[in-house]
Amino acid sequence: EVHLAESGGGLVQPGGSLRLSCTASGFTFGHYEMNWVRQAPGEGLEWVAYIDSDAFSTHYGDSVKGRVTISRDNAKSSLFLEINSLRAEDTAVYYCARGGEHWAFDVWGLGTRVTVSS
Amino acid sequence: SSELTQDPAVSVALGQTVTMTCQGDSLTSFYASWYQQRPGQAPLLVIYGNTNRPSGIPDRFSGSSSGDTASLTITGAQAEDEAAYYCNSRDSSVNYLVFGGGTKLTVL
Repeated sequence: EVHLAESGGGLVQPGGSLRLSCTASGFTFGHYEMNWVRQAPGEGLEWVAYIDSDAFSTHYGDSVKGRVTISRDNAKSSLFLEINSLRAEDTAVYYCARGGEHWAFDVWGLGTRVTVSS
Repeated sequence: SSELTQDPAVSVALGQTVTMTCQGDSLTSFYASWYQQRPGQAPLLVIYGNTNRPSGIPDRFSGSSSGDTASLTITGAQAEDEAAYYCNSRDSSVNYLVFGGGTKLTVL
């Protein structure tokens, strides 16, 4: 069964940093582009970051550009998101999502919750 | 513009047909996808490439596109279809990928 599992969320103080992880199973991870998508409480979905299958190309959402780094370890079927200089507005559930045909996100994890508060 | 615009809320009577729309400049160049998100759950892909339905998605879900507008239609809405629906596509301006603001569907 195709599965994505996020981890690494929690409570962090403003200005702090966090590294989120996503472990994939049930498919050949290294063959797929991957993304991070977040959802603030009561709000809609916001695309955060993209990485291609070989980690040669990355793209970031305008609201996080310069504070976020997406990376991957294909040997360990793992995706990562490092977020620095955390702000209250970064409070959200962070989902990893597999890139499918025509730029669709065809597999999603259950998400990990990040709360930025003092 | 890098935005995709969706109506905030739509309602449909049980068993009737409802169409939700997603409008944006990027849709003239790129395909739209649609996601269903029930409260407390992760999003689920229901349409990709404007019109394609993933395996396991009921055939009452269909997608179409014309110009700068993509549409998601549910023919014979069921109670379990009550959810938020989001569109997304590639984007050619500020952001590489973009989501619409979402439509909350109520089944009456």
